[in-house]
Amino acid sequence: EPEVTQTPSHQVTQMGQEVILRCVPISNHLYFYWYRQILGQKVEFLVSFYNNEISEKSEIFDDQFSVERPDGSNFTLKIRSTKLEDSAMYFCASTRDLYSYEQYFGPGTRLTVT
Amino acid sequence: QQQVKQSPQSLIVQKGGISIINCAYENTAFDYFPWYQQFPGKGPALLIAIRPDVSEKKEGRFTISFNKSAKQFSLHIMDSQPGDSATYFCAARIETSGSRLTFGEGTQLTVNP
Repeated sequence: EPEVTQTPSHQVTQMGQEVILRCVPISNHLYFYWYRQILGQKVEFLVSFYNNEISEKSEIFDDQFSVERPDGSNFTLKIRSTKLEDSAMYFCASTRDLYSYEQYFGPGTRLTVT
Repeated sequence: QQQVKQSPQSLIVQKGGISIINCAYENTAFDYFPWYQQFPGKGPALLIAIRPDVSEKKEGRFTISFNKSAKQFSLHIMDSQPGDSATYFCAARIETSGSRLTFGEGTQLTVNP
């Protein structure tokens, strides 16, 4: 069964450093998302991406964040200068198209900022 | 108005019992209501979902009940098993260009053997 994959599974970085989180969405899916989950809290939407541009972003997704689809398979989330409060699980998700309801989530990347 | 409120925060059920988790929303533009199951260290996995044009959907031991007038929906897990022990999130979606999911706070379910 196709699945969303994410790398790395765990990333430790120092405050102020740049990190890139990588995702490979399901191959025939066209809509991509990033969500985050601070430990013990609910899953929060960050950004959606379609046709090589951002469709929607939340108030969390400030100028420190950027997304990119550098090739036909990868979807990346970059945090330019990490802060302690960026420590969270980051989940990538994808859906086949706008009219497909099911969003499929990857296993997540645990980001720890020290 | 974008919020989805979920209760209870935690739930302990005996094996074979019924687990019930409730969610409420305000925004009538929500058009899709999925439930996700999350095991520790894993991503949320879609469990079952409903659209507001039906009042109930059943898949195996899992049932969603939907009350459009009350703006509430709930997940019922029949014959709960220890393997069902996980965190359950309700969510809601508006069919906009981004189709973001808005999640509830989560319910940690423990099913005792």
